[in-house]
Amino acid sequence: DIQMTQSPSTLSASVGDRVTITCRASQSISSWLAWYQQKPGKAPNLLIYKASSLESGVPSRFSGSESGTEFTLTISSLQPDDFATYYCQQYSDYTHTFGQGTKLEIK
Amino acid sequence: QLQLQESGPGLVKPSETLSLTCTVSGDSIISSSSSFWVWIRQSPGKGLEWIGILYYSGTTYYNPSLKSRVTISGDTSRNQFSLKVTSVTAADTAVYYCARHSYGVGYHWGQGTLVTVSS
Repeated sequence: DIQMTQSPSTLSASVGDRVTITCRASQSISSWLAWYQQKPGKAPNLLIYKASSLESGVPSRFSGSESGTEFTLTISSLQPDDFATYYCQQYSDYTHTFGQGTKLEIK
Repeated sequence: QLQLQESGPGLVKPSETLSLTCTVSGDSIISSSSSFWVWIRQSPGKGLEWIGILYYSGTTYYNPSLKSRVTISGDTSRNQFSLKVTSVTAADTAVYYCARHSYGVGYHWGQGTLVTVSS
């Protein structure tokens, strides 16, 4: 199985900050990686797919990148609505896996 | 517009079988070769756990940690797909989500349904 290691588990930041969240795959997944945002009591919402493609309707302050088996979600300027939990997910293999999640908190 | 709605009992007794259904509107579970149907769960306060996937051909793949207890199947006449988990314990208490995986893209999710395992 492909394991996804996401870091950090918690991130404290302020409105206007630039933040990055990282996910590392245990083996090559090409670019088959998605990022989701989840708010309390809600289903996750797709932000980024195929490592760097922005889902329709998602603000352009969200971006994704990759370098080998390391993937990064960047929020260029944090807005109040962005404080949530973020998950990466690989869908390269027949079985898909999620990272452990990153909780983005207000500093 | 795609909509997915989970339904089923909110309370299941230990050792019994958990059964959930996802009703799909805005897409067909069999007519599209680029849409696949997924179950995911989230235990209270925890992360997301992938359960399994159903392809339009009827092929399924499951999380190895759950494979012995899980079955995902489709009902094409009702445009629904279902999840069964046998021999449940308190560890199976979770919010269960169904989702569509479009080829090359991530998941679009239903709203989720809480299932509690308790006597």
